[in-house]
Amino acid sequence: AQTVTQSQPEMSVQEAETVTLSCTYDTSESDYYLFWYKQPPSRQMILVIRQEAYKQQNATENRFSVNFQKAAKSFSLKISDSQLGDAAMYFCAYEPGGGADGLTFGKGTHLIIQP
Amino acid sequence: EPEVTQTPSHQVTQMGQEVILRCVPISNHLYFYWYRQILGQKVEFLVSFYNNEISEKSEIFDDQFSVERPDGSNFTLKIRSTKLEDSAMYFCASSQSRGFGEKLFFGSGTQLSVL
Repeated sequence: AQTVTQSQPEMSVQEAETVTLSCTYDTSESDYYLFWYKQPPSRQMILVIRQEAYKQQNATENRFSVNFQKAAKSFSLKISDSQLGDAAMYFCAYEPGGGADGLTFGKGTHLIIQP
Repeated sequence: EPEVTQTPSHQVTQMGQEVILRCVPISNHLYFYWYRQILGQKVEFLVSFYNNEISEKSEIFDDQFSVERPDGSNFTLKIRSTKLEDSAMYFCASSQSRGFGEKLFFGSGTQLSVL
């Protein structure tokens, strides 16, 4: 079974600085998808960024980028120029290739932005 | 942006009672999901639903659980006889298509407390 591990229960960063959230996963599959979802205090999870495992190029969405290391099964999220609105729980998630329905989530990292 | 809405935001019930959690997915979406998060633990996949039938379900989704799309807009999760361990945040989600890295749209969740 696939597992997703987020080893940082909480991270803190100064506003305008850069922070990296860690995620590792375990799978025997070669085709899969990885996601970072953000859960602000409103509780509604929002997709931040996604990565297809067959793509070597790291995904980027504005201030958010990932460092995808397939061999190491690592998928970290970098947030540049941190803003107060980035404060939230961040969940790493895995989806096997082939059209499976259920995502496997990590336990989340609580990101605090210090003004 | 269209949203998935869930009602109620909080539900308190006595052990052994039946509860129905309600969700209105995004109108042009075809796939619907329920996830849950027990306090301090991972977000877990429960079930997916497509074309008026269950597409996939996890081991958690036993005979005490059922889902239904009673009309063209609502998607419900029923727990027939609640147990203390059913206390959790329940998230509904929807998507236009299935798997392959498809973006899920989540609701804000229903916090279920079983006393």
